[in-house]
Amino acid sequence: EAEVAQSPRYKITEKSQAVAFWCDPISGHATLYWYRQILGQGPELLVQFQDESVVDDSQLPKDRFSAERLKGVDSTLKIQPAELGDSAMYLCASSPGLAGVLLYEQYFGPGTRLTVT
Amino acid sequence: ILNVEQSPQSLHVQEGDSTNFTCSFPSSNFYALHWYRWETAKSPEALFVMTLNGDEKKKGRISATLNTKEGYSYLYIKGSQPEDSATYLCALLGETSGSRLTFGEGTQLTVNP
Repeated sequence: EAEVAQSPRYKITEKSQAVAFWCDPISGHATLYWYRQILGQGPELLVQFQDESVVDDSQLPKDRFSAERLKGVDSTLKIQPAELGDSAMYLCASSPGLAGVLLYEQYFGPGTRLTVT
Repeated sequence: ILNVEQSPQSLHVQEGDSTNFTCSFPSSNFYALHWYRWETAKSPEALFVMTLNGDEKKKGRISATLNTKEGYSYLYIKGSQPEDSATYLCALLGETSGSRLTFGEGTQLTVNP
């Protein structure tokens, strides 16, 4: 069964360092999402792509976070510089539906657990 | 900002017990509701996507109902098993939220053998 791949699974970094996460969605899924989940809270959408285009990045802290999906397939989320408050689980998900048609379920990867010290 | 609330926050039941939890959302701003199950160290897994008032969906021992007029959805598990232990998340797509899902904080279920 096809799965969403994410790496690394765990990352420990020091404050002010740069960190990057990678996601490979299920083949053929046009829509890709990056979420942040702080312990005890629900996942919060950071950015949504339709193919290589950003559909929604209204909750992405753009002063330090960036995301790209250059060829409309895999995606990278970067944080520079990392802050203590960025410690969280970063989840990637993909969907076969078009952005804006959320009647399709989302398929999640296992996430990257980031700890900033 | 949409307010999606789940209750209870956590639940401990014995194997064989049936259980249910609630997801509440603003009835005035509804387009679709998603339910996901998230087991520790695994990926969140979709259970249901629901859109119609009165909708009822079932997958094995798990079922869900939806009341869009009063703004709630129930998730039921019949005859809980230890492998049902997970966090159950609901997520709302509101009419005014574009294509953004708003997640609740989840209900953490532990089924004791």
